[in-house]
Amino acid sequence: AQSVSQHNHHVILSEAASLELGCNYSYGGTVNLFWYVQYPGQHLQLLLKYFSGDPLVKGIKGFEAEFIKSKFSFNLRKPSVQWSDTAEYFCAVNAHEEYGNKLVFGAGTILRVKS
Amino acid sequence: EAQVTQNPRYLITVTGKKLTVTCSQNMNHEYMSWYRQDPGLGLRQIYYSMNVEVTDKGDVPEGYKVSRKEKRNFPLILESPSPNQTSLYFCASSPRKTSEQYFGPGTRLTVT
Repeated sequence: AQSVSQHNHHVILSEAASLELGCNYSYGGTVNLFWYVQYPGQHLQLLLKYFSGDPLVKGIKGFEAEFIKSKFSFNLRKPSVQWSDTAEYFCAVNAHEEYGNKLVFGAGTILRVKS
Repeated sequence: EAQVTQNPRYLITVTGKKLTVTCSQNMNHEYMSWYRQDPGLGLRQIYYSMNVEVTDKGDVPEGYKVSRKEKRNFPLILESPSPNQTSLYFCASSPRKTSEQYFGPGTRLTVT
C-alpha cells in the first residue's frame, strides 16, 4: 500500500533558524506531490505542489521543496522561519490511476517557532 | 468568493443518533472528498466522488455514507455514530482528481 512518512512529529525552532521537514513516500510510479499547512484553528492551505518539470519548487511565504526521485523524497525547506510559521505541516502524495485517485497524507509535523 | 463550506462547524451528539454533515463548493469542481483528521494520524480519506452519482471508498469508509446528487454538494452521513468517530472532518474539492484540493473549514464532531 502507498504510504507517506514524515520524519519528525514535533519541531521547535527559534526565529531566523533554517527549516527542513522530511517527507518520503513508498510508491514507485508517477506521483503528484503536495505540502499543505494548517495554522492553529484553520483549515488546510496549499503551500506548494510538484507535478513535473523543475524538481525544485517554490511556494508561498518563502517555502520551497525539492523532489528527489531516486530517494522518493519531497522535503520542505525555508531558510529563515518566523513566529507566524507556527503550524502543522502535511506532506501529501497522489499516485496516478493505480491507487484509486487517492490523496495520501503523512501524519503531519507540528512546528513551533519561538520568538 | 471561491470556497468550500461545511455545516455544522461543531457538533456534539450521542451514540446511535443519525447525523449529516453538509459540504458545498462553488467552483464547479468535479472531484470531492471527505477526510478525517486525528492526532498523529494525519488526514485519512473516508470517501471521494469523481462526479455526480460516482462515489468510491477511501481508506476508512466504515460507518460512513455519502451521496453526490448534485455537483456542488457532497454530504457525509453517519447512520449510527459511535465514539470512535469523534474527530475533525474536512471536505475538499478539486477540478481534477490529480490536482490540488481546496479544503473546507472543518467540522469538529464529538460522539458521546
